[in-house]
Amino acid sequence: GAVVSQHPSRVICKSGTSVKIECRSLDFQATTMFWYRQFPKKSLMLMATSNEGSKATYEQGVEKDKFLINHASLTLSTLTVTSAHPEDSSFYICSAERTSGYNEQFFGPGTRLTVL
Amino acid sequence: GQNIDQPTEMTATEGAIVQINCTYQTSGFNGLFWYQQHAGEAPTFLSYNVLDGLEEKGRFSSFLSRSKGYSYLLLKELQMKDSASYLCAVIDSNYQLIWGAGTKLIIKP
Repeated sequence: GAVVSQHPSRVICKSGTSVKIECRSLDFQATTMFWYRQFPKKSLMLMATSNEGSKATYEQGVEKDKFLINHASLTLSTLTVTSAHPEDSSFYICSAERTSGYNEQFFGPGTRLTVL
Repeated sequence: GQNIDQPTEMTATEGAIVQINCTYQTSGFNGLFWYQQHAGEAPTFLSYNVLDGLEEKGRFSSFLSRSKGYSYLLLKELQMKDSASYLCAVIDSNYQLIWGAGTKLIIKP
């Protein structure tokens, strides 16, 4: 159990376009989901914490108007990269927290975004 | 501030044993995770420690000393597929997950 899916797995887009990434917990409900970004050979960087039914909490330095997060249900959170630029090219990973005695995070497979 | 330290890179030989250390200074402690991440893939869960001592799970074991702010991940009978980054993460008093930068483990034949 505790499977998290992410779609799409890979996307290439032109500069200036918007890209939506979906994160779904398939067999459990996740009140909290997290969005990370990882540049090559670097560690995970938390971008924002997404809580179902409320506004996301963004980490310092992350533009909330550029990275729109919606957590509309207990199994779905979306990240929209608006007006993407080449410097937004990265590996975006979501995770979902299952409350089971400890706050274990289950990770989606990631989305590789390339902005041309 | 909150800080988690791990070696940046380690090299070991196939069939050998390797220990990856993690030290942490966080505001409170509610558990420590180890994750494995292969290049280009998302992290996968390896272990969770909240009490002092050793947790063994097959070829992998994880140790925790809360008084020393220290943990290690022990990998035995190393296989080439164990080449990956190993991430240490601590849950602080606010139940935030604080990540280390990860240790890249290179396995040589």
